[in-house]
Amino acid sequence: GAVVSQHPSWVICKSGTSVKIECRSLDFQATTMFWYRQFPKQSLMLMATSNEGSKATYEQGVEKDKFLINHASLTLSTLTVTSAHPEDSSFYICSARAAGTPYEQYFGPGTRLTVT
Amino acid sequence: AQSVTQLDSQVPVFEEAPVELRCNYSSSVSVYLFWYVQYPNQGLQLLLKYLSGSTLVKGINGFEAEFNKSQTSFHLRKPSVHISDTAEYFCAVSDYGDSRLTFGEGTQLTVNP
Repeated sequence: GAVVSQHPSWVICKSGTSVKIECRSLDFQATTMFWYRQFPKQSLMLMATSNEGSKATYEQGVEKDKFLINHASLTLSTLTVTSAHPEDSSFYICSARAAGTPYEQYFGPGTRLTVT
Repeated sequence: AQSVTQLDSQVPVFEEAPVELRCNYSSSVSVYLFWYVQYPNQGLQLLLKYLSGSTLVKGINGFEAEFNKSQTSFHLRKPSVHISDTAEYFCAVSDYGDSRLTFGEGTQLTVNP
């Protein structure tokens, strides 16, 4: 149980275009989802926290207009990187928290974004 | 604000040897502590967590960790490692009442034959 999927697993896009990444909880309802980015050989940095049906809370230094997060249902959150640039190339990982397990996050497999 | 320090960026060991991956944290409030493992190009898998109770926590794959409040540490141990344990290991902390996680920089464990 507690499986989280991400789609796509990798994506290449051209500079200036937008790309959407989906995060789904497959067998539980995710009251909260988190989005992280990870640069090569580095740790995970929390970008934002989203609760179903409300606006995401962004961490300091994260551009909310560039990284659009939508958590429209209890099983789906999306991250849209708008007007992507090469410096946005990274590994994006989502995680989900279920109701009743407030301190455990279940992680997706990640999405590798390369902007050319 | 909280922070997590993993004292070793890389730990090479031989197969069947014991290993300890060190983690220290700082926080002004009570915390919950976690260890995750990440294999190349994959997400994170929870190894173990400390929420309350016994300070010695046992996790999956033969790993265990001990919470030491006075030393603000949560070191991960395994008595005998396998080649398949080669991966990146992350220590993480969340403040009591806050579900967000702060991660350490990670420790690359490499198990050699």
